[in-house]
Amino acid sequence: GDSVTQMEGPVTLSEEAFLTINCTYTATGYPSLFWYVQYPGEGLQLLLKATKADDKGSNKGFEATYRKETTSFHLEKGSVQVSDSAVYFCALSGNNDMRFGAGTRLTVKP
Amino acid sequence: EAGVAQSPRYKIIEKRQSVAFWCNPISGHATLYWYQQILGQGPKLLIQFQNNGVVDDSQLPKDRFSAERLKGVDSTLKIQPAKLEDSAVYLCASSPPASGIQETQYFGPGTRLLVL
Repeated sequence: GDSVTQMEGPVTLSEEAFLTINCTYTATGYPSLFWYVQYPGEGLQLLLKATKADDKGSNKGFEATYRKETTSFHLEKGSVQVSDSAVYFCALSGNNDMRFGAGTRLTVKP
Repeated sequence: EAGVAQSPRYKIIEKRQSVAFWCNPISGHATLYWYQQILGQGPKLLIQFQNNGVVDDSQLPKDRFSAERLKGVDSTLKIQPAKLEDSAVYLCASSPPASGIQETQYFGPGTRLLVL
């Protein structure tokens, strides 16, 4: 069945460092891909999404490109801030089903 | 616009007891989802409603879990009897009509359940 594998955490970075969180997927058909973020004490919220190959999703300085040839949707940000500390989930939706990765905890230190 | 509401936020029960969670989706959202998120894992879909009908409940442990959405608006998820392995955060999400699972889902804050 469809599945998502994302980089294990936790990830600890200094402020203004470059961030990459890897995400790869296995799916039949043409799923949509998502990154959700969960800040401490809050529910999941959509960070960005891409619905077809080569689409780039972007929001709040984060971006990810839907790469069908490598079945990947890596999350990147050029300069992280302390306020970016959260858990990040990669997800895909295919045939009437949403699958999430295990999540990657990011801590940004000043 | 009000977000997805859930209650209670926290619940502690003993094994073999019953528990119920409530969710009120964003107004106008036809699709409602219940997820189980065990510590250290991503959310797992338990059940999906479209209005008041069940679209997918293939991962719902039906011997102990039940869910309903009688009027196509708010929903309850019940566990009876609870087991230790049911300790998790139960998330409710909703999405706009005529869009299905590929559309953005909006999540509530979750209910954290601890079974002792």
